[in-house]
Amino acid sequence: DAGVIQSPRHEVTEMGQEVTLRCKPISGHDYLFWYRQTMMRGLELLIYFNNNVPIDDSGMPEDRFSAKMPNASFSTLKIQPSEPRDSAVYFCASSSGTGGYEQYFGPGTRLTVT
Amino acid sequence: AQTVTQSQPEMSVQEAETVTLSCTYDTSESDYYLFWYKQPPSRQMILVIRQEAYKQQNATENRFSVNFQKAAKSFSLKISDSQLGDAAMYFCAYRTNFGNEKLTFGTGTRLTIIP
Repeated sequence: DAGVIQSPRHEVTEMGQEVTLRCKPISGHDYLFWYRQTMMRGLELLIYFNNNVPIDDSGMPEDRFSAKMPNASFSTLKIQPSEPRDSAVYFCASSSGTGGYEQYFGPGTRLTVT
Repeated sequence: AQTVTQSQPEMSVQEAETVTLSCTYDTSESDYYLFWYKQPPSRQMILVIRQEAYKQQNATENRFSVNFQKAAKSFSLKISDSQLGDAAMYFCAYRTNFGNEKLTFGTGTRLTIIP
């Protein structure tokens, strides 16, 4: 299995630009999670989906952030407009509801907003 | 809300020795899962070990084992025969078994292996 795939691995953009992060979960997994990691706040959940439906988006910082999961094998996290405080590592993770519920993480996207 | 506390920001251990990383958590629930994740410099989050709260037996995975004390709400990770590749940030995480699937993480412990 290829594991969770994220792209891009690194993104540098200017303040005000739109940023789109992409994730492909492990095949057969029915849960998908977006986490953000910063020095100040550590690892925090932004949103998660079950069977492509958003279940908990209480961690999404503000309206500038949006996430979609149009099908079982693809999800996007979009920031529009981006701000310097959005600089962080964004992780996508997936898990199976019929297994041990372990979450498997992708390699992360390091986002830098200048 | 559940909280996870890792009180050791940094730890170091001699290669081949044993080290224990501490984790405590706060919850009013009786059924939940606990995890240890490893994050090496590559930043990849790697699952190390999992413990179900309803199981009294401590989980083990090769050189990694846990000491789960449910009443004390303590979940420590023991690494035996430490190797250079064990150097990483280690995060303790909690997940309820009642509806919400999200992981709540501690702040992490940076483990250094001394050759």
